[in-house]
Amino acid sequence: NAGVTQTPKFQVLKTGQSMTLQCAQDMNHNSMYWYRQDPGMGLRLIYYSASEGTTDKGEVPNGYNVSRLNKREFSLRLESAAPSQTSVYFCASSVSGTSSEKLFFGSGTQLSVL
Amino acid sequence: DAKTTQPNSMESNEEEPVHLPCNHSTISGTDYIHWYRQLPSQGPEYVIHGLTSNVNNRMASLAIAEDRKSSTLILHRATLRDAAVYYCKSSGGSNYKLTFGKGTLLTVNP
Repeated sequence: NAGVTQTPKFQVLKTGQSMTLQCAQDMNHNSMYWYRQDPGMGLRLIYYSASEGTTDKGEVPNGYNVSRLNKREFSLRLESAAPSQTSVYFCASSVSGTSSEKLFFGSGTQLSVL
Repeated sequence: DAKTTQPNSMESNEEEPVHLPCNHSTISGTDYIHWYRQLPSQGPEYVIHGLTSNVNNRMASLAIAEDRKSSTLILHRATLRDAAVYYCKSSGGSNYKLTFGKGTLLTVNP
């Protein structure tokens, strides 16, 4: 049972380059999320998707775009990477986004922007 | 989203109980209290959650104060594998608002 799968695990970009972080879940969950984690900052919500076809901004959306490609996949795109986007990125999913549910997280993507 | 307060770090000895506190004084009546932990170089993993009553599962117990302004995560017998950052959060009405603070770094000594 794979759960939440993120690719790639590591990535180094130069300032101004673009890339897409991929996330897929095999649990038939409706809701999916993207977080970033910076040293000493905990996890901050970038974007979320309550259900297929919908996306909404979280706490720190600037510089990012997302696509909910289908029920399984939720991608995060950096159009023009900046050093401030150096972070560890986590994708998560839950059944339907209600407050009593638990989140399932992927293992993360470590991104460095030089 | 209710603000939560946790100690930055705690230390325990192996095979002893650990009580990790969390204050959430502005929690609303419908907010669940969630606990997650993050092992080194891994994504966060769910530990336990509850609304009003104390909760138990195979990983831990959650004791919720009667006024719901605080809660305590209890690891009954700490092991070296329990060394992690533990996050306490209230749900703020839905999972969409389940952002995480800095958590408590638990060190377990052999």
